[in-house]
This record gives sequence, C-alpha cells and structure tokens, in this order.
Amino acid sequence: SAVISQKPSRDICQRGTSLTIQCQVDSQVTMMFWYRQQPGQSLTLIATANQGSEATYESGFVIDKFPISRPNLTFSTLTVSNMSPEDSSIYLCSVGTGIANYGYTFGSGTRLTVV
Amino acid sequence: KQEVTQIPAALSVPEGENLVLNCSFTDSAIYNLQWFRQDPGKGLTSLLLIQSSQREQTSGRLNASLDKSSGRSTLYIAASQPGDSATYLCAPETQAGTALIFGKGTTLSVSS
Repeated sequence: SAVISQKPSRDICQRGTSLTIQCQVDSQVTMMFWYRQQPGQSLTLIATANQGSEATYESGFVIDKFPISRPNLTFSTLTVSNMSPEDSSIYLCSVGTGIANYGYTFGSGTRLTVV
Repeated sequence: KQEVTQIPAALSVPEGENLVLNCSFTDSAIYNLQWFRQDPGKGLTSLLLIQSSQREQTSGRLNASLDKSSGRSTLYIAASQPGDSATYLCAPETQAGTALIFGKGTTLSVSS
C-alpha cells in the first residue's frame, strides 16, 4: 500500500492567518481525499482531489476557505485560509489506488490549533 | 447517502477480555469495508479490509466479519491488551474509488 508523508504534524496559528498542509505519496495515485476531524468527532470529508481537475468539495466546504492543489499524482496541498478558532481540528489526507480491493491509506494528520 | 453507526461508543474492559465492536451502515450495496485504528491526535492505521465477496478477514488477534445484506460488520478482538486502547473506526467504500464514510467510532480502553 502507499505511504504518505504529511506535514506539518502540528501547528499553532493566529486567527486570520492561513496554513498550508502538504501530503507527499511514495507512489502515483489517482484519488486523494482531504478530511477534517473536529475535537471528539469522526472524520468529515472536505474534498476529493484528482490530478488534472478541480477539486470537488462537500457540502459546507468552499474553495475560498479550503483551496486545494494537486499538481501531480504524488502530491497535494490543502490550505486553511483566514483561520478562526473553529478551524482547530485534525486534518488528514487519504489516498486510494483506484485498484479493486487495495484499500485506503491515511497520512499521520496535522493537528491545528487556532488562537 | 451512506450513514455509519458504531456501537458501543465507548468500552472499558480489563486486560485479557475478548470483545466485539459493532458497525452498521445504511446502504448495503458496498464495494469493500475497512476497519481502522486511531490513537489520540494521530492518523488512521488500517487494520483489516474485507472485500465485498468475503464474509470475514483475520489478522492476528483481530477478526472482522461482514454481512452485506444486513448492513453490518463486526470486529472481534481476542485477549485484549492495554496497547489495544484506541478508537476503532469502520468505513464502507460505497462505490469503487469514492471517499470512505466514517461513523463516530468506538473508543476502547483496556486496563492492566
């Protein structure tokens, strides 16, 4: 299965600023997903990022707030823009190979605290 | 829209007990189902993947079963250990290549 390097692992940011989270995969993957996990909650899908096309956002998430880049098949970034304390969460990227029955892999997560 | 429910929400057991975690999902037409473990503040570690054609999958002390027709999966942990303490999440893959959908998980605490 793919191995994902996610950075940063954690950060404390001032409100009104932006943070860019990076995910690097050790193999080429078609699909990449970004999730948010608010304190005490489960994972909520933010968007699906496929190389060569615009990211597809879930209801409640917008591109201006969470711009995503997917420049190639091994890399993606998620930016959390104009942060507020409500954005304090763990953000995770995930990849699927698109090959039947290979399953999904997750990054180690970015723990964001906005003060 | 797929919805996932996990019961119980939390579980505390003494070391050595065998235990069962339950997962149910509303759309039984799934492709695969995956069980994950999450330690506090960390990412997800895949435990088991059950293909839609399978009824169960085993890895060490873990055994997961799948009953697609009833929309249920069960994770069985044998001889629990303090190191098993974590949150366990099940996630069905509703269509091949689409994002996994998660429930709230079961938080397990095993005391020595």
